[in-house]
Amino acid sequence: NAGVTQTPKFRVLKTGQSMTLLCAQDMNHEYMYWYRQDPGMGLRLIHYSVGEGTTAKGEVPDGYNVSRLKKQNFLLGLESAAPSQTSVYFCASSYGRSNQPQHFGDGTRLSIL
Amino acid sequence: SQQGEEDPQALSIQEGENATMNCSYKTSINNLQWYRQNSGRGLVHLILIRSNEREKHSGRLRVTLDTSKKSSSLLITASRAADTASYFCATDPEQLSGTYKYIFGTGTRLKVLA
Repeated sequence: NAGVTQTPKFRVLKTGQSMTLLCAQDMNHEYMYWYRQDPGMGLRLIHYSVGEGTTAKGEVPDGYNVSRLKKQNFLLGLESAAPSQTSVYFCASSYGRSNQPQHFGDGTRLSIL
Repeated sequence: SQQGEEDPQALSIQEGENATMNCSYKTSINNLQWYRQNSGRGLVHLILIRSNEREKHSGRLRVTLDTSKKSSSLLITASRAADTASYFCATDPEQLSGTYKYIFGTGTRLKVLA
């Protein structure tokens, strides 16, 4: 009963490097989300997806790209990492949009040097 | 600015005491959710209360919603050391229905002392 799985759990990058964060869910949820969590800022939505093959921008999309080629997977990409992208990244999924709880992974802790 | 603002930012109580956290928001909402986050882990959904509901219970949790004051409270009764965590409210603003825009507050850090 895995729920939402994020890989990797930790990563250190140098400025300018690229990487992809992977999120996988096994609950057959339509909606998936990527958030970042910074001290004193709460959770901020980066991008989200309402179904396979669809993506949309959230509150803080700049510097990130996403893809949802398969319903169970949602990838977050950083093309050219910047120190401002140092954060904890959370993936979540939900069955629908209205009145549905979100299920979160345990996060990816990313440091950009 | 944040739609949901929790109060207090931090709370420290003795085991067995009750803990109350509050969430205020600015615009009309469809529903409000409370989540718990243990250190180093993801958020876990606790309870959802819809705009036409005033109170909900789940085990030792009691959530109230006052739409006239645009506020909600989370009460944890008979607290335990395992309740030590951060608690977040998340609002679903009515004006943004049809798009995804759940807005999370900055959280209340609860510490329960054994």
